[in-house]
Amino acid sequence: GNSVTQMEGPVTLSEEAFLTINCTYTATGYPSLFWYVQYPGEGLQLLLKATKADDKGSNKGFEATYRKETTSFHLEKGSVQVSDSAVYFCALYNSGGGADGLTFGKGTHLIIQP
Amino acid sequence: DVKVTQSSRYLVKRTGEKVFLECVQDMDHENMFWYRQDPGLGLRLIYFSYDVKMKEKGDIPEGYSVSREKKERFSLILESASTNQTSMYLCASSSPSASSYNEQFFGPGTRLTVL
Repeated sequence: GNSVTQMEGPVTLSEEAFLTINCTYTATGYPSLFWYVQYPGEGLQLLLKATKADDKGSNKGFEATYRKETTSFHLEKGSVQVSDSAVYFCALYNSGGGADGLTFGKGTHLIIQP
Repeated sequence: DVKVTQSSRYLVKRTGEKVFLECVQDMDHENMFWYRQDPGLGLRLIYFSYDVKMKEKGDIPEGYSVSREKKERFSLILESASTNQTSMYLCASSSPSASSYNEQFFGPGTRLTVL
């Protein structure tokens, strides 16, 4: 079946530090990959996505590249801000013609200190 | 602006009560989902629906049921609430006809406490 593994944290960084949150997946075929972000007290918001190998998703300074050879989709940002403090979820969708839900990792709690 | 709303942000119920969690989306999406979110476990799919009156079990359907009488509304029902159903419940919707990768849009969540 499908699965997503990501570092759980909490990850604590200083403002302007470089961020990497690792995500690897197991799936048959060619899944679509996502990063979602959950700010305190809110639901999940799509941060970025990639639908095929070597695609790079980017948004708000965050990037992730779909690496099929290593089955990875690591999230990176060059200079984090306090406002980036949130929980980040890596997820995949494996198209099977139906309406199956996404498969999520357990989430990484990111804390940015000023 | 796309929107998924949930009837309550916080809910406190007693063991054995019947609990209804409501979700409404205004995007005319075909698919709707209920997840629960627990620390250390991430999000787990309870039920989903791809059409009115249609429902499919997700990964953890035990103790839950759902209802979809109208396209925009998807209800999660706890027939007899138990303390192990204390959790954050998230509703989501998507439209496979609108995108090829099935992006899901989430509501703000309902934090349910069962005493």
